[in-house]
Amino acid sequence: NAGVTQTPKFQVLKTGQSMTLQCAQDMNHNSMYWYRQDPGMGLRLIYYSASEGTTDKGEVPNGYNVSRLNKREFSLRLESAAPSQTSVYFCASSEEPLAGSYNEQFFGPGTRLTVL
Amino acid sequence: GNSVTQMEGPVTLSEEAFLTINCTYTATGYPSLFWYVQYPGEGLQLLLKATKADDKGSNKGFEATYRKETTSFHLEKGSVQVSDSAVYFCAPPPKAGGYNKLIFGAGTRLAVHP
Repeated sequence: NAGVTQTPKFQVLKTGQSMTLQCAQDMNHNSMYWYRQDPGMGLRLIYYSASEGTTDKGEVPNGYNVSRLNKREFSLRLESAAPSQTSVYFCASSEEPLAGSYNEQFFGPGTRLTVL
Repeated sequence: GNSVTQMEGPVTLSEEAFLTINCTYTATGYPSLFWYVQYPGEGLQLLLKATKADDKGSNKGFEATYRKETTSFHLEKGSVQVSDSAVYFCAPPPKAGGYNKLIFGAGTRLAVHP
């Protein structure tokens, strides 16, 4: 049981390049999330997927797109990378919460992205 | 809307010292509350949780009591160890109608010295 896995662990891009961050979970969770973590800013939600086939914007979606490929996988794409997107990216998953409540989220180890 | 105020860090302690990290919240209703911890180079992981008022969450020697009258969920540990050095996040309740969208603050960095 690997939990939440992310690839790659490290990536360096040049401004304008594109890339896709991969995330997979083996806990049969319905909900998945992408966060970015910047020094002094904490974690900020980029996009989330409540269940397979649905995605919604979080706090900072600009410059990103997501795909919920199936129940296990949720990818984050940067179409044209900018230095402001230098950050650590975390994927997370959780059981689908009941209305009015929320559930523990399980996090992956992160992807450290540098955009030059 | 729902929000949380967490003690700013960094907090620097000597081994075996007592730890308190304050967290207060505002929320509609009385939601579950969580503390997460992030060790260096890793993702966040759940440290403890409380699901109702007066509930006490505990794990690895850490405790937090969900106090409805003060809307607080302070994290405490009687004797910290060097291995407790990490960043601690008090996870706020989701925004009303906000599903499971947790919005974390910067957290509180704890450094424990031998």
